[in-house]
Amino acid sequence: AQKITQTQPGMFVQEKEAVTLDCTYDTSDQSYGLFWYKQPSSGEMIFLIYQGSYDEQNATEGRYSLNFQKARKSANLVISASQLGDSAMYFCAMREASGGSYIPTFGRGTSLIVHP
Amino acid sequence: GAVVSQHPSWVICKSGTSVKIECRSLDFQATTMFWYRQFPKQSLMLMATSNEGSKATYEQGVEKDKFLINHASLTLSTLTVTSAHPEDSSFYICSARETSGRTSYEQYFGPGTRLTVT
Repeated sequence: AQKITQTQPGMFVQEKEAVTLDCTYDTSDQSYGLFWYKQPSSGEMIFLIYQGSYDEQNATEGRYSLNFQKARKSANLVISASQLGDSAMYFCAMREASGGSYIPTFGRGTSLIVHP
Repeated sequence: GAVVSQHPSWVICKSGTSVKIECRSLDFQATTMFWYRQFPKQSLMLMATSNEGSKATYEQGVEKDKFLINHASLTLSTLTVTSAHPEDSSFYICSARETSGRTSYEQYFGPGTRLTVT
């Protein structure tokens, strides 16, 4: 079974609007971390936001917020006030503590296109 | 902030030749480095985990004799694609994890290397 599921291969949003990118995860660990990365066409992976499984508050970083619903095992990324520069691939990733390896697993990604 | 560099950023080579890709942590020590492969419009696939001073741990299905990984120091890991074939053409990304602690932002990615084998 996939550990990280991103069901939206592509999303479109109007500039200045908010957009939610979905991510669900599967783990039996109690301790884990969830990440979102942005990958523009240049290829670099840009870290956006992190949520720990024990964090009670939803993580926020500027225009990015993570809607963490632990019972549903979802960690959706919300981008507010979209900008043209937000057009990119977005990857959700999870890092589990089991085995001590802390190696993250990535989802398939969502391509976001911001229209002017 | 923590910076990871990769060299070269892109390379074209002929089938049958070997190519070496370097991954360096510029301002921190990295006990562990990871090598990923990414096909167009697909996710990152972990190839191997590289620990300084020891043999790399390869993921299932990754040929260790084809993808040689060396992590000789706390700031440098290399991936050598031996006897490259066109199907090895891909985007290779490394990431590095800081030696100290387990903070949430400890894994830093390099900018990637685009390999084209003709």
